[in-house]
Amino acid sequence: GENVEQHPSTLSVQEGDSAVIKCTYSDSASNYFPWYKQELGKGPQLIIDIRSNVGEKKDQRIAVTLNKTAKHFSLHITETQPEDSAVYFCAATAGRRALTFGSGTRLQVQP
Amino acid sequence: GAGVSQTPSNKVTEKGKYVELRCDPISGHTALYWYRQSLGQGPEFLIYFQGTGAADDSGLPNDRFFAVRPEGSVSTLKIQRTERGDSAVYLCASSFTQGGTGELFFGEGSRLTVL
Repeated sequence: GENVEQHPSTLSVQEGDSAVIKCTYSDSASNYFPWYKQELGKGPQLIIDIRSNVGEKKDQRIAVTLNKTAKHFSLHITETQPEDSAVYFCAATAGRRALTFGSGTRLQVQP
Repeated sequence: GAGVSQTPSNKVTEKGKYVELRCDPISGHTALYWYRQSLGQGPEFLIYFQGTGAADDSGLPNDRFFAVRPEGSVSTLKIQRTERGDSAVYLCASSFTQGGTGELFFGEGSRLTVL
């Protein structure tokens, strides 16, 4: 099955700085790579996703890049704000298989 | 509300007891997923349903875990002879699309503590 590794496990940045979270996956058949944000006491919420037919996708301050050859993908958050503080999970899947999640990155944005 | 609803939000039980956790998905979502999340970890897949049938139950850790979705809407996760290692937050999610290639809408989870 799929194995997703995520790093760093914790990340602290100053407000306004950029944050980058990286993930690798093992199954070359995987073709869908979402990112979820989880706030304390809540369930994860989708913030952005990318499919294998594109290499980059942007949505305002958030961008995701995908390198299928190297089997890794990254989340980039620019101009970080205190409300970006949360735990972020990457995930991967292929076809009709359920998502496999990474172990999470706790992002702390210092005001 | 229109979101995924999970009950109970917290459950404390003793080792060896039986537990049921309920998930009420978003109306019209045909796919329903159960994940388990331990402290400091990502969600771990347990089972998912497409309609009434289990499309993939490969994540269930052993035969003490069982889930049903008899009418294709509400689902119940059942855990027999609970063990301390079962303590975790059990997350339910629903989706329009089968498998994982569409947005999953998660509930807030049921926190299970086995003493």
